[in-house]
Amino acid sequence: EPEVTQTPSHQVTQMGQEVILRCVPISNHLYFYWYRQILGQKVEFLVSFYNNEISEKSEIFDDQFSVERPDGSNFTLKIRSTKLEDSAMYFCASRTSASGRARYEQYFGPGTRLTVT
Amino acid sequence: LAKTTQPISMDSYEGQEVNITCSHNNIATNDYITWYQQFPSQGPRFIIQGYKTKVTNEVASLFIPADRKSSTLSLPRVSLSDTAVYYCLVGGLNRDDKIIFGKGTRLHILP
Repeated sequence: EPEVTQTPSHQVTQMGQEVILRCVPISNHLYFYWYRQILGQKVEFLVSFYNNEISEKSEIFDDQFSVERPDGSNFTLKIRSTKLEDSAMYFCASRTSASGRARYEQYFGPGTRLTVT
Repeated sequence: LAKTTQPISMDSYEGQEVNITCSHNNIATNDYITWYQQFPSQGPRFIIQGYKTKVTNEVASLFIPADRKSSTLSLPRVSLSDTAVYYCLVGGLNRDDKIIFGKGTRLHILP
């Protein structure tokens, strides 16, 4: 069964450093997402991406964040200057091009645990 | 976005059938009902989706009454590995495609 993969599984970085989290969505999916989950809290939407541009972003997704699909398979989330409060699990998700009910049928990766010290 | 209400937590025993009910009084005509499951330290996983009546797959059943103001996720014969958080979501057509997760229902299966 195809699945979303994410690397690394755990990233430790110092405050102020740049990090890039990588995702390989399911191959025939065209809509991509990043979510995050701070320990013990809800899963929060960060950004959606389609046709090589951002479709929607949340208030969390400020100028320190960026996303890119550098090639036909990878989808990355960059945090330019990490803060302590960026420590969280970051989940990538993807879905097919179908509309309607498939909007809510997203496939999530296993996550990258980001620890900012 | 239709607001959903579900129990914060539930306990059950191995081998039992577990039913988690979600209320969504202001569901729109074009909204679907979707349930996700999240194991500790893992990403959410799509379980089941329905519009009305009953949907069944290899994981669960979803019961939706005619007025669609609530739905019930049914897990048959649960095991310890079904311990997870279960999220009820309402939306889909003509909505933003981001998922807004609530707190979900924390299901704890006891031996």
